[in-house]
Amino acid sequence: DSGVTQTPKHLITATGQRVTLRCSPRSGDLSVYWYQQSLDQGLQFLIQYYNGEERAKGNILERFSAQQFPDLHSELNLSSLELGDSALYFCASSVTSGGNTGELFFGEGSRLTVL
Amino acid sequence: GENVEQHPSTLSVQEGDSAVIKCTYSDSASNYFPWYKQELGKGPQLIIDIRSNVGEKKDQRIAVTLNKTAKHFSLHITETQPEDSAVYFCAARGSGGYQKVTFGTGTKLQVIP
Repeated sequence: DSGVTQTPKHLITATGQRVTLRCSPRSGDLSVYWYQQSLDQGLQFLIQYYNGEERAKGNILERFSAQQFPDLHSELNLSSLELGDSALYFCASSVTSGGNTGELFFGEGSRLTVL
Repeated sequence: GENVEQHPSTLSVQEGDSAVIKCTYSDSASNYFPWYKQELGKGPQLIIDIRSNVGEKKDQRIAVTLNKTAKHFSLHITETQPEDSAVYFCAARGSGGYQKVTFGTGTKLQVIP
């Protein structure tokens, strides 16, 4: 158990809909990262937050947004969903000291299926 | 930005044999290279990492080597066991504040009993 909790574990929805994925980081970790894993693809970095502030952005679509709340949990919002958004979405957390990312602790992921 | 390439995409070995996975990176400023193992239905988990001031690191049956000049690094697993079967990801992180960790595309390792 990594200590990172993601909900829901599975989600099935239709094209055009909007969903929210939730992540609770390990106790004490201030950084949260979101990654997308599609079939036969690696882990695509989406976005990173540190103590409530956005710190780095990757290949995140404009239809996607995220935030980190004062209690450090994070939410990834996916809107106007398309079939190609079907993927496994991972959240990870880490202890970030001086901006240097150490070990990432991953949750078990949220599997999104868009029909 | 950083680009990490990983080979092979799939690898089958007999139990007891060695497995080698190779990665190259593009950003010469990258200074941290972790390896993650992802078992079926789970999130990736760090198994070993190496920093740019070290050429080799070993932890029991797992070793990682780094060639900064050539910008490539490798994972070596000796005496493979069925429980080593998983997807392995290499990654690289640049220097400076809040640098993202860029992952390779993964290697599916199958250890045949």
